Amino acid sequence: SAVISQKPSRDICQRGTSLTIQCQVDSQVTMMFWYRQQPGQSLTLIATANQGSEATYESGFVIDKFPISRPNLTFSTLTVSNMSPEDSSIYLCSVGVGTANTEAFFGQGTRLTVV
Amino acid sequence: AQSVTQLDSHVSVSEGTPVLLRCNYSSSYSPSLFWYVQHPNKGLQLLLKYTSAATLVKGINGFEAEFKKSETSFHLTKPSAHMSDAAEYFCVVSRRSGGGADGLTFGKGTHLIIQP
Repeated sequence: SAVISQKPSRDICQRGTSLTIQCQVDSQVTMMFWYRQQPGQSLTLIATANQGSEATYESGFVIDKFPISRPNLTFSTLTVSNMSPEDSSIYLCSVGVGTANTEAFFGQGTRLTVV
Repeated sequence: AQSVTQLDSHVSVSEGTPVLLRCNYSSSYSPSLFWYVQHPNKGLQLLLKYTSAATLVKGINGFEAEFKKSETSFHLTKPSAHMSDAAEYFCVVSRRSGGGADGLTFGKGTHLIIQP
């Protein structure tokens, strides 16, 4: 298993500003993922962050809007840039563990409100 | 491409009665399927997973699911609902053949309500 800590747990931000979300894992993991859960919606994968390489973004998400860092095997950050009210969501960090990364564990999420 | 369809956005059952949450999937290869639960203001928790072993999968808290390839279904069941089961449930498919946490596709979720 894996224990994932996300910071901050929630924030209220002004439009046009940026917020960096941190994700810390209690063990070394190869694969880390960032998801977005818009109000009343399901989770959508934003990007996959592997240590030592550029993040891989899903369709509809771009690096300029959601830059990601992965400096080591236990830590990653997601920045939500130039925020607008449409960015108000829960952002979740996830890691793959086990043989062939067969199981995903999730952080508690960061609840972002943009005003 | 893979996808999942959760057939009910809300399910309401009485405490002590059976629970059935329906999920159909679409995948171009042999899929790995998961059910996750999300309690209010809490993180996602894995209930159970199917990764091409036994088609009847037992999970935590008395939940189980049966993989039926002919029906492309992976319905979640529990014989007797408990008040603590009230939560949002997500059916999830892995986009990678052979399973894995790499790029999960989530269903829209089913909100389970337990009536006293």
